[in-house]
Amino acid sequence: GAGVSQSPRYKVAKRGQDVALRCDPISGHVSLFWYQQALGQGPEFLTYFQNEAQLDKSGLPSDRFFAERPEGSVSTLKIQRTQQEDSAVYLCASSLYRQGRIGKDTEAFFGQGTRLTVV
Amino acid sequence: GQQLNQSPQSMFIQEGEDVSMNCTSSSIFNTWLWYKQDPGEGPVLLIALYKAGELTSNGRLTAQFGITRKDSFLNISASIPSDVGIYFCAGQRGGYQKVTFGIGTKLQVIP
Repeated sequence: GAGVSQSPRYKVAKRGQDVALRCDPISGHVSLFWYQQALGQGPEFLTYFQNEAQLDKSGLPSDRFFAERPEGSVSTLKIQRTQQEDSAVYLCASSLYRQGRIGKDTEAFFGQGTRLTVV
Repeated sequence: GQQLNQSPQSMFIQEGEDVSMNCTSSSIFNTWLWYKQDPGEGPVLLIALYKAGELTSNGRLTAQFGITRKDSFLNISASIPSDVGIYFCAGQRGGYQKVTFGIGTKLQVIP
């Protein structure tokens, strides 16, 4: 597609419920990032994929958070046993970046995000 | 947590005025990016800067990559109502160009 697509746009979950958030990156983009944005804050890094390999998951706040990108394209962020503090906007971004390359075409483009509210 | 110090955190300006916001870091970045985020939307890339000292314009927007590679500023000239939103600076560095964001500058334009 023309841009990064995320679904659903909005998700309300009861505390303890599992949720799955989907990201369709820009076609051909190697790199994929997930970010969490709390109200009034800037996005915070969660995890990074290069193709299907998850190279960095240092930002995942707990082992209830799990992300995958099995075929190197679509990615899913899963949150198990959701808690109220998980309420946030979850943003996905993709870029053409390949290791060792810096400059134009390495910029990250973001989707519209999924707003998760845990009640 | 956040590694970029962005200021000011909010601004109220009259339509037609120029705006300036900046970002500083204790760490060096390879690339500086400026994004705008409207309510309910994801950040949209405005300007990307790749070299220390680089000055880049995009319409009424001008941004510079600081010589020390630890700072950047964004100027908006002749502001209009649709400039309203939250502006984020962001830096990229590391093996896969991880993006680190500032806290944002909320801009309000009074017609």
